[in-house]
Amino acid sequence: NAGVMQNPRHLVRRRGQEARLRCSPMKGHSHVYWYRQLPEEGLKFMVYLQKENIIDESGMPKERFSAEFPKEGPSILRIQQVVRGDSAAYFCASSPPGHTFTDTQYFGPGTRLTVL
Amino acid sequence: KQEVTQIPAALSVPEGENLVLNCSFTDSAIYNLQWFRQDPGKGLTSLLLIQSSQREQTSGRLNASLDKSSGRSTLYIAASQPGDSATYLCAVTNNNDMRFGAGTRLTVKP
Repeated sequence: NAGVMQNPRHLVRRRGQEARLRCSPMKGHSHVYWYRQLPEEGLKFMVYLQKENIIDESGMPKERFSAEFPKEGPSILRIQQVVRGDSAAYFCASSPPGHTFTDTQYFGPGTRLTVL
Repeated sequence: KQEVTQIPAALSVPEGENLVLNCSFTDSAIYNLQWFRQDPGKGLTSLLLIQSSQREQTSGRLNASLDKSSGRSTLYIAASQPGDSATYLCAVTNNNDMRFGAGTRLTVKP
């Protein structure tokens, strides 16, 4: 059973471009979580999604950031008009149906975004 | 608002030593606390999960304790090995909110 997959692993964008980060949860998992790790800082929760629903987006910046988890396909974290401060590692985690946020989450390898 | 602090930020020990990593949190109303390992360029690996009703969990050479009332957890690593070198993160969960510490970067020298 493959683990959580994220792609690309490394992404370079110029200021003002869009970044799309993809997360494929573990097989059978229906919950996805996105976290951001800024340089020299801990991970911070961004958003919690179930299939086709955003459950909690309290950690998402109000502008330029959006996330979706469609019925088919991976979860997408989208950052519009990127700025240098968006440079970070973005981690995705997933958990099975019936689990809540407080149960074990399984993390992917992360996408490292660099904004030039 | 929950704040999670990990001390020390970095630790270097010779192989074979036993060591303790510390994690403190400000809001004791937690559901659980997890310790993760993060290798450079890799994702997070969950090491131990302690539910709020538990006092400790053990896995191999790792032992994690939880004292909710004082807002503290420790991760004890016995007989450290160079392969233990990594960053260790603790994370506490309150409702739909998981807060991570900044991590302790451990180096075990052969």
